[in-house]
Amino acid sequence: QVQLVQSGAEVKQPGASVKVSCKASGYTLTSYYMHWVRQAPGQGLEWMGIINPSGGSTRYAQKFQGRVTMTRDTSTSTVYMEVSGLRSEDTAVFYCARERIVNDWNYPLCYGMDVWGQGTTVTVSS
Amino acid sequence: QSALTQPASVSGSPGQSITISCTGTSSDVGNYNLVSWYQQHPDKAPKLMIYEGSKRPSGVSNRFSGSKSGNTASLTISGLQAEDEADYHCRSYAGGISWVFGGGTKLTVL
Repeated sequence: QVQLVQSGAEVKQPGASVKVSCKASGYTLTSYYMHWVRQAPGQGLEWMGIINPSGGSTRYAQKFQGRVTMTRDTSTSTVYMEVSGLRSEDTAVFYCARERIVNDWNYPLCYGMDVWGQGTTVTVSS
Repeated sequence: QSALTQPASVSGSPGQSITISCTGTSSDVGNYNLVSWYQQHPDKAPKLMIYEGSKRPSGVSNRFSGSKSGNTASLTISGLQAEDEADYHCRSYAGGISWVFGGGTKLTVL
């Protein structure tokens, strides 16, 4: 079955970095874009960025520019998201989610985030 | 990019219909027919319910429907059931290869 399996919970000190993995199975990684979404405790969803696993191109939300890096390893069908300079406000659950996008980026066709990882809890605390 | 505006909470009785609004701007909701809606039960990952404004993925009940007028998208749930109680999040394409979510709405089935 199609699924995304994320790495386990992390506890980090302020200023540290964290790298979360998202392993795809049941489909071809390069056929779908992958988003990363953050959800702070009791809050809504926040879009962090997107990676095209086919070529590795990325686009990050302005808020996370310079602090987030998304990469992929097609040999293991895994996408990674690293956040540096962690602060207490980064304590959250991080999700990966795939989406089929047909891209004329002016007016793309976006078929929705149809498969999500189980979420990875990152706690930032001294 | 500012978050889309959703009501913090809505409620309804079993069998009734409710509508959740999602208000953006002419740069996101109003400019693209690319709003999607996600249902999230406590401590679970979100689930896609509607994409491209009004389309349902396979397996999603036809009690869920989506629409848009101007800068506001809406999710309507008819024939409310207890299992519909969850948080609902809207998301829109915002141009320039970026997306924006709403703040989320907690649906209570009375």
